[in-house]
Amino acid sequence: QQQVKQSPQSLIVQKGGISIINCAYENTAFDYFPWYQQFPGKGPALLIAIRPDVSEKKEGRFTISFNKSAKQFSLHIMDSQPGDSATYFCAASKGANNLFFGTGTRLTVIP
Amino acid sequence: DVKVTQSSRYLVKRTGEKVFLECVQDMDHENMFWYRQDPGLGLRLIYFSYDVKMKEKGDIPEGYSVSREKKERFSLILESASTNQTSMYLCASSGGTGPNEKLFFGSGTQLSVL
Repeated sequence: QQQVKQSPQSLIVQKGGISIINCAYENTAFDYFPWYQQFPGKGPALLIAIRPDVSEKKEGRFTISFNKSAKQFSLHIMDSQPGDSATYFCAASKGANNLFFGTGTRLTVIP
Repeated sequence: DVKVTQSSRYLVKRTGEKVFLECVQDMDHENMFWYRQDPGLGLRLIYFSYDVKMKEKGDIPEGYSVSREKKERFSLILESASTNQTSMYLCASSGGTGPNEKLFFGSGTQLSVL
C-alpha cells in the first residue's frame, strides 16, 4: 500500500514555465514532508522540506505548498530551466521514523 | 561534503548466487539505509541500521540481509539472488537524532540477475 501518492508520473514543461508536482497522504500523524531531486546516474538529494505548522516554504525558485486539511502537498518550480530536468520524489515521515517515498515524477524542461 | 560510496555501479549475477553490495560513508553518520528503486514504485526501504551491529527491517526485507560491523560500512546481502531482485539499489546515510534527518545517497548499484 502506497503511503504517499504522487502525480503526475511524468511532466514536460517549456523553459520559463511553472512545474507542479502533487502528493497526497492518508496518515495524519506524518509531520515531515521533504522533496528529493534525482539526476540521471546519481542518487536522490534533498531539495526542500516542510513541516505541517506552515502552509508554504520557498527556497529560490522552489516552493512547497502544504494543505493539512486536504492531506496534500505540492512542489512548484518557478521559471523552470532545462537544468531542472530530473526525477522528483516526495516523501513523508512520522516523528523519528523512516521516510515513505512517492513513486517519482520525471520532469523534462524543453528549451 | 558527505560522501556515500557504493562499491559497484553495475553488477550482473546469476540466479542463486550470493550477492554482496557494499556501501561506505565518510561522515561518521549513525544511521545507514538500503533502498531499492524500481520504475513506478519509487524508493522502498529494505533495511536500516542506527548503530554498529544493529539492524532493523524496512518495508521489503524478504530475500535480503545486512551487516554493519563498522560504523562507516553497511553491506546488503542477497542470500540467493532471484530475477525479481533485478533493480537499482541505493545506499544512504544520515546523522542527527532521527532517521528522517537529511538523507545522503550514494549513486546506486544497478543489479541485474539473469
